[in-house]
Amino acid sequence: GAGVSQSPSNKVTEKGKDVELRCDPISGHTALYWYRQSLGQGLEFLIYFQGNSAPDKSGLPSDRFSAERTGGSVSTLTIQRTQQEDSAVYLCASSYREGRTDTQYFGPGTRLTVL
Amino acid sequence: DAKTTQPNSMESNEEEPVHLPCNHSTISGTDYIHWYRQLPSQGPEYVIHGLTSNVNNRMASLAIAEDRKSSTLILHRATLRDAAVYYCILRGLGAGNNRKLIWGLGTSLAVNP
Repeated sequence: GAGVSQSPSNKVTEKGKDVELRCDPISGHTALYWYRQSLGQGLEFLIYFQGNSAPDKSGLPSDRFSAERTGGSVSTLTIQRTQQEDSAVYLCASSYREGRTDTQYFGPGTRLTVL
Repeated sequence: DAKTTQPNSMESNEEEPVHLPCNHSTISGTDYIHWYRQLPSQGPEYVIHGLTSNVNNRMASLAIAEDRKSSTLILHRATLRDAAVYYCILRGLGAGNNRKLIWGLGTSLAVNP
């Protein structure tokens, strides 16, 4: 079956513009995660969705960042008024549940460049 | 969350075994040890996980120390395609512990032809 897909694969934008990044998780996966990976760094947790529960937004770096997950499936990460420090690869992952043994399946990421 | 420490980089020759170490001295009794790897320009992919016993799958083997304070990922015959960053992560009980996996810098493995 299809894995996690993300679009666009690359996004170049100007400072101050808004951007939307999309994630299509694996069908049937209730858990969805967004991460950010700056150049040469590890993964930084941003936000987590589990079913119909309220999302865990504790990793969002500022109020310019927001995310939605519609119908328990597709998710959109929105960054408003982008800044140069927002440049990074944004990774989405999904898993069947959030258990200790559940595997996270990652998408290929969206490389965001803010000029 | 418990932390892990890994060497920044390692080097291997093609078709030779590779042993990637990970220290997790503060691991709790209920933490699972997971390994992921990230190939260049790709998202991370799952490799293997275990709790106490050694584990084998088609990709690798995981050797877990008796006191569980360290583990070793074993690639039995490295190929050029195994060049990647390898992450060792602990996943435990409790709401929120797993969603905020602490991903360090991992070990960057270079494989020489």
